Amino acid sequence: ETGVTQTPRHLVMGMTNKKSLKCEQHLGHNAMYWYKQSAKKPLELMFVYSLEERVENNSVPSRFSPECPNSSHLFLHLHTLQPEDSALYLCASSQGPSPSYEQYFGPGTRLTVT
Amino acid sequence: DQQVKQNSPSLSVQEGRISILNCDYTNSMFDYFLWYKKYPAEGPTFLISISSIKDKNEDGRFTVFLNKSAKHLSLHIVPSQPGDSAVYFCAAKTNYGGSQGNLIFGKGTKLSVKP
Repeated sequence: ETGVTQTPRHLVMGMTNKKSLKCEQHLGHNAMYWYKQSAKKPLELMFVYSLEERVENNSVPSRFSPECPNSSHLFLHLHTLQPEDSALYLCASSQGPSPSYEQYFGPGTRLTVT
Repeated sequence: DQQVKQNSPSLSVQEGRISILNCDYTNSMFDYFLWYKKYPAEGPTFLISISSIKDKNEDGRFTVFLNKSAKHLSLHIVPSQPGDSAVYFCAAKTNYGGSQGNLIFGKGTKLSVKP
């Protein structure tokens, strides 16, 4: 595997379910990101991790809980979501959180909350 | 309020002609701008960038122009090819403040290049 991978690619869950999204990067990067893309809205940054420490949390509701066990893996734990949380969730990584490093994106997980 | 705006949701161009995608921004602290390209079922991929100290950056068929006084940038693709058909996102970031390095994206413009 190369680049940034995400699983699952598609997920349908009820509002009472608990599920997790997984992201893995094979680029040796030190920073990882979660983005949300809702229909007809720009990509919105949710969380930033640098060297496994959370450095940014953009006012994301607590029903989204990130976890970064090591620099290669990033999870997004989901519980008691709302239908408006249905969106494409994209993971990205970069060498560091600095502005001069490019971000490489995974293919995304298409989440539908019923 | 959106800091990065792509006011054209879609653009259709004939193969071989020039495609011009536009982007406006409101935050004068932005000092680095990027264009990403996204195919269906794939994540965005980096295409080209420009620093605020430049007004033009060229890479093959792709050229990005920056007009700081107008807070406007554009991506030119010439000649356009059917494989360029994708959604193009404009993004910006700053070296300053608590959001240092965070990408702020526009909504994207869907480019269709017709053979």
